Amino acid sequence: KAGVTQTPRYLIKTRGQQVTLSCSPISGHRSVSWYQQTPGQGLQFLFEYFSETQRNKGNFPGRFSGRQFSNSRSEMNVSTLELGDSALYLCASSVGLVNEQFFGPGTRLTVL
Amino acid sequence: GENVEQHPSTLSVQEGDSAVIKCTYSDSASNYFPWYKQELGKRPQLIIDIRSNVGEKKDQRIAVTLNKTAKHFSLHITETQPEDSAVYFCAAIIIQGAQKLVFGQGTRLTINP
Repeated sequence: KAGVTQTPRYLIKTRGQQVTLSCSPISGHRSVSWYQQTPGQGLQFLFEYFSETQRNKGNFPGRFSGRQFSNSRSEMNVSTLELGDSALYLCASSVGLVNEQFFGPGTRLTVL
Repeated sequence: GENVEQHPSTLSVQEGDSAVIKCTYSDSASNYFPWYKQELGKRPQLIIDIRSNVGEKKDQRIAVTLNKTAKHFSLHITETQPEDSAVYFCAAIIIQGAQKLVFGQGTRLTINP
């Protein structure tokens, strides 16, 4: 069974730009969660999608948004990038939140 | 509240000794507590989890204990080996409102040969 994949793996953007990250979950998994990982803040929950619906959202500004498609693939968008948005963005798929989360390799975003 | 506090932030032990990492959570309705291990440059991977209907779970050298009254849970690694060196994250399902999985800040464990 193929694992969770994320594209692109690395991104360099400048302040004010926007970015879209993609996550393909494990086949059969309908839950996709997104996390921001920074050295000082650990893993911060961004949002979770299940069957194309956002079920919950973390404490991030409205510049962070996402969506999920009918094939469970998910995208995350960050608009008006700030320097502080530089981080590793991880997605995880599962059959549900109270089950093992399978993480992707992450997208390393650098904002200059 | 939606906090999961994890201690210590760094831990260094001699190979063969035991390591203990502790977490506390705020939502008394939380019912699922996983632990993830993240090796340098790799993605987090589940190593063990526990649900609220049990107080302890063991898998070879790894065990997790849960005290629902005190709202804390701990990871115990016995007979530590160099490959145990990694960052460990605890997490708890927060039930308030819609469910979400909240992670602790992580513990960097170093096993000294």
